[in-house]
Amino acid sequence: AQKITQTQPGMFVQEKEAVTLDCTYDTSDQSYGLFWYKQPSSGEMIFLIYQGSYDEQNATEGRYSLNFQKARKSANLVISASQLGDSAMYFCAMREAVIDSWGKLQFGAGTQVVVTP
Amino acid sequence: DGGITQSPKYLFRKEGQNVTLSCEQNLNHDAMYWYRQDPGQGLRLIYYSQIVNDFQKGDIAEGYSVSREKKESFPLTVTSAQKNPTAFYLCASSIRLGNEQFFGPGTRLTVL
Repeated sequence: AQKITQTQPGMFVQEKEAVTLDCTYDTSDQSYGLFWYKQPSSGEMIFLIYQGSYDEQNATEGRYSLNFQKARKSANLVISASQLGDSAMYFCAMREAVIDSWGKLQFGAGTQVVVTP
Repeated sequence: DGGITQSPKYLFRKEGQNVTLSCEQNLNHDAMYWYRQDPGQGLRLIYYSQIVNDFQKGDIAEGYSVSREKKESFPLTVTSAQKNPTAFYLCASSIRLGNEQFFGPGTRLTVL
């Protein structure tokens, strides 16, 4: 079963606007972590932001913030004031705490973001 | 500069040949990982290692092998048993198993 679902295969956003990338997850674990990564066309994966399941506040890192809605099992990434350099593929990932899965990241299929001038 | 290096960036091999992809890190991280990425898809875990001389199969380990003889190095061998080896391979490390992972630049393997 798919653990991470990213329903938006691609989106266009205008420079300086904010964009929200959707991510829903499936787990019966109480302790888990959610990650967002950016993959530019060069291929390298760049870590953006992390949210723990017990964190009460939404995570923020500069222009990135994570809209964590635990009851809905959603962890959307918000990029504020988009820049041309934000054009990339964005992946949501989850780490569960169960013994067989500890340490493993399950990735979604990704969302391609294109920022236009 | 601390980081993760993978070499080479592009690799071509003939069908039936084994090939080894290099991954080195100087971040002093205990855990290392190998992922495979196919076009338009997310990453899938091949193998991971929590510590030197230990490694575990991931979700798609068949046709691959690894070793972890040194903390800094986690080479991946793609064997002839791997049915569809052409893909983009990413190596990652984290300070401990479960922490955020940092990735290398990747190796694009094409089997002709």
